[in-house]
Amino acid sequence: GESVGLHLPTLSVQEGDNSIINCAYSNSASDYFIWYKQESGKGPQFIIDIRSNMDKRQGQRVTVLLNKTVKHLSLQIAATQPGDSAVYFCAEWDSSYKLIFGSGTRLLVRP
Amino acid sequence: GAVVSQHPSWVICKSGTSVKIECRSLDFQATTMFWYRQFPKQSLMLMATSNEGSKATYEQGVEKDKFLINHASLTLSTLTVTSAHPEDSSFYICSTLRAGADTQYFGPGTRLTVL
Repeated sequence: GESVGLHLPTLSVQEGDNSIINCAYSNSASDYFIWYKQESGKGPQFIIDIRSNMDKRQGQRVTVLLNKTVKHLSLQIAATQPGDSAVYFCAEWDSSYKLIFGSGTRLLVRP
Repeated sequence: GAVVSQHPSWVICKSGTSVKIECRSLDFQATTMFWYRQFPKQSLMLMATSNEGSKATYEQGVEKDKFLINHASLTLSTLTVTSAHPEDSSFYICSTLRAGADTQYFGPGTRLTVL
């Protein structure tokens, strides 16, 4: 079935370093992917999205890379800050226009 | 991004009672809203898709008679958990989808605890 999964459940980084969060997806037909940030006790917050006709998209301090060949998605956060500590989810639109969420990666930023 | 509110932000109820959760789209009319459930340390799972003026579409395994969804206006959808039991304790989150757009914007969530 369709699924979106993550390689690392927890990522610990030093403040100021770059963070890379990875995600694998299984549906090769997916054409729209989104990264969300969820802080404790809050709803998911949109970070950045990318369509399948692109392999890279940049935002403010964040970059999403899409490798359709190996069905892999990554989120790069530059100069990680304490406020970046949260759980990050990748999500994809399935063919029925529903969001399928990955299992999530917790990012811990060490001061 | 869109602004979505939920009320209440948390609720504690006794087993067997019903609880209503409201989801409001504050800055645009949302023809489609989604309801998700999230258990601790787990991902979001879609429960149902709520369409204004029509019946909600439930995901497999979600009891439509237990989780009643009403989307009576373009800015308000409600989820009622009927005859709640402790296993219904969870974080319930709604999202809105602007017509013609792909991005979902999420509400702050409602923490339900059933004693």
